[in-house]
Amino acid sequence: KNEVEQSPQNLTAQEGEFITINCSYSVGISALHWLQQHPGGGIVSLFMLSSGKKKHGRLIATINIQEKHSSLHITASHPRDSAVYICAAPNTGNQFYFGTGTSLTVIP
Amino acid sequence: NAGVMQNPRHLVRRRGQEARLRCSPVKGHSHVYWYRQLPEEGLKFMVYLQKENIIDESGMPKERFSAEFPKEGPSILRIQQVVRGDSAAYFCASSPVGADIQYFGAGTRLSVL
Repeated sequence: KNEVEQSPQNLTAQEGEFITINCSYSVGISALHWLQQHPGGGIVSLFMLSSGKKKHGRLIATINIQEKHSSLHITASHPRDSAVYICAAPNTGNQFYFGTGTSLTVIP
Repeated sequence: NAGVMQNPRHLVRRRGQEARLRCSPVKGHSHVYWYRQLPEEGLKFMVYLQKENIIDESGMPKERFSAEFPKEGPSILRIQQVVRGDSAAYFCASSPVGADIQYFGAGTRLSVL
């Protein structure tokens, strides 16, 4: 079993739809990261959160430390949101455990 | 401020050659991490370095792979006698002391012919 599990693996949405990607982890962490990998392969760090909720534009990330669960939401999705979204949990040794990623395609 | 710089972006090698991947961390960051993303797979941790020290290399293959982060200059991931299975995207990330967040480079795509 992976330390970090994401769902769904693949997601196709119509432009404008509200999107949710889920992440569950089994390791003890101080913070959780959401990363975005563009079709060209580059990785961008979207959020680091240790409690509650963070919002950046149309992206919202929430975390429940007790339940070891985080969600990434995209409101009013757009084709340019098409990417792979990766949940990552650092362990005490500063390594990251990565989820396998959710491949999102937003259709115009 | 420049982010994490990796070069080259693309590297082609023939089987048996050596591959050297370079990573310049964000200015002032003393921690460097290397990750590998095999085709159709997720990111996997390889090694964690601080200046002149390897802190954790538990994700590194036992043979042919080595990494360094010298006092001056970039971090280097070195793969000797490359094989086709080494073809992957190699990402470097850096962080300042005491921080959880890591800043990723754009990656080096290694293709072994």
